[in-house]
Amino acid sequence: KQEVTQIPAALSVPEGENLVLNCSFTDSAIYNLQWFRQDPGKGLTSLLLIQSSQREQTSGRLNASLDKSSGRSTLYIAASQPGDSATYLCAVRPVRGGATNKLIFGTGTLLAVQP
Amino acid sequence: DGGITQSPKYLFRKEGQNVTLSCEQNLNHDAMYWYRQDPGQGLRLIYYSQIVNDFQKGDIAEGYSVSREKKESFPLTVTSAQKNPTAFYLCASSRGDRTDTQYFGPGTRLTVL
Repeated sequence: KQEVTQIPAALSVPEGENLVLNCSFTDSAIYNLQWFRQDPGKGLTSLLLIQSSQREQTSGRLNASLDKSSGRSTLYIAASQPGDSATYLCAVRPVRGGATNKLIFGTGTLLAVQP
Repeated sequence: DGGITQSPKYLFRKEGQNVTLSCEQNLNHDAMYWYRQDPGQGLRLIYYSQIVNDFQKGDIAEGYSVSREKKESFPLTVTSAQKNPTAFYLCASSRGDRTDTQYFGPGTRLTVL
């Protein structure tokens, strides 16, 4: 059974720091991995989607990497800003275990960027 | 203005009542999903539909029901059989192929009184 873990559960950094959020998954048979952002009481916003054949994706100050063989992904945020404060969720789309559109989510990392 | 809408934003239910949460999308997506989010547990899949008039149970379907009579709409009914319904409910949609992303609505917070 695919399981997704995110470490740390919470992180507080001063403004301007570069930071890394971690995501690990137990079954390397995935179609893709996705990073989402969630603000308090809101829905999810997709940040980056990495297909299984890709190693990384970049969008602005965000860079996500994928190492399928080791079951790991990282989300790198450069020059953090208070507006980056949110919960960051990663999700994998597993090959095994049912519908191909199913996502398995981690429990998220709550990020606070202090001004 | 394309996107996914959910209503209501907040919903209160008395014990023993059924309630229905609305989800509408104008993205012309074939697939739609319902997730439940509890503190510290991430999102869990309740039901999903890959095409009109067809839907499948997710990981926690007990106490819930859905319908998919129109491509744009995927309402979720929380029945009295759901013993612990207080949660944040999120609807999502996607094109329906294995490489695409899911787009989420703003969510409905359900509280049992």
